[in-house]
Amino acid sequence: ILNVEQSPQSLHVQEGDSTNFTCSFPSSNFYALHWYRWETAKSPEALFVMTLNGDEKKKGRISATLNTKEGYSYLYIKGSQPEDSATYLCAFSTDSWGKLQFGAGTQVVVTP
Amino acid sequence: AAGVIQSPRHLIKEKRETATLKCYPIPRHDTVYWYQQGPGQDPQFLISFYEKMQSDKGSIPDRFSAQQFSDYHSELNMSSLELGDSALYFCASSPRNERNTIYFGEGSWLTVV
Repeated sequence: ILNVEQSPQSLHVQEGDSTNFTCSFPSSNFYALHWYRWETAKSPEALFVMTLNGDEKKKGRISATLNTKEGYSYLYIKGSQPEDSATYLCAFSTDSWGKLQFGAGTQVVVTP
Repeated sequence: AAGVIQSPRHLIKEKRETATLKCYPIPRHDTVYWYQQGPGQDPQFLISFYEKMQSDKGSIPDRFSAQQFSDYHSELNMSSLELGDSALYFCASSPRNERNTIYFGEGSWLTVV
């Protein structure tokens, strides 16, 4: 994998259901994997920065895992709520200077 | 809490004109990044500055230039605008002791007509 790929491109979730989606990234020259939550007309909100293989991070009902050897990260949303509706972007960096390579995002729509 | 401030939020320019976007990082953040997101595209890294010096350069056209000033704010100057420059331009900043934590502004929408 040469680029950051996210799947699915979009998903619709019923309120209360849990969901997850994937970010795949180059496994070589890995430094960090970032997850952002982005609502239209707002600034992307940093959710997690993960650097170590096997990292698991949690923020409320949202959690993420990281596998640097195989080059993927999962983002999980437990008990989805309408306010979770957003585009979730992942980004990969090869050094500490913050130059990020973004995926196209997964658009999540949570319906009541 | 203070966030990254970008101005203007929306800008409409004609082809061949010049545009300037401004970015005010979070206080005490010394690194500023610029990203460009064209319609239906991923955000692409343009350029970054650390302590007023260019620290990295991405796919920034020669028609574009940027700098970081003594108060750490940054400006992206775009000349000879083309229709393809229409995009959302994000600025982001990070603090010296936690450079891997990057905070984004809301973006500036540039439309070239």
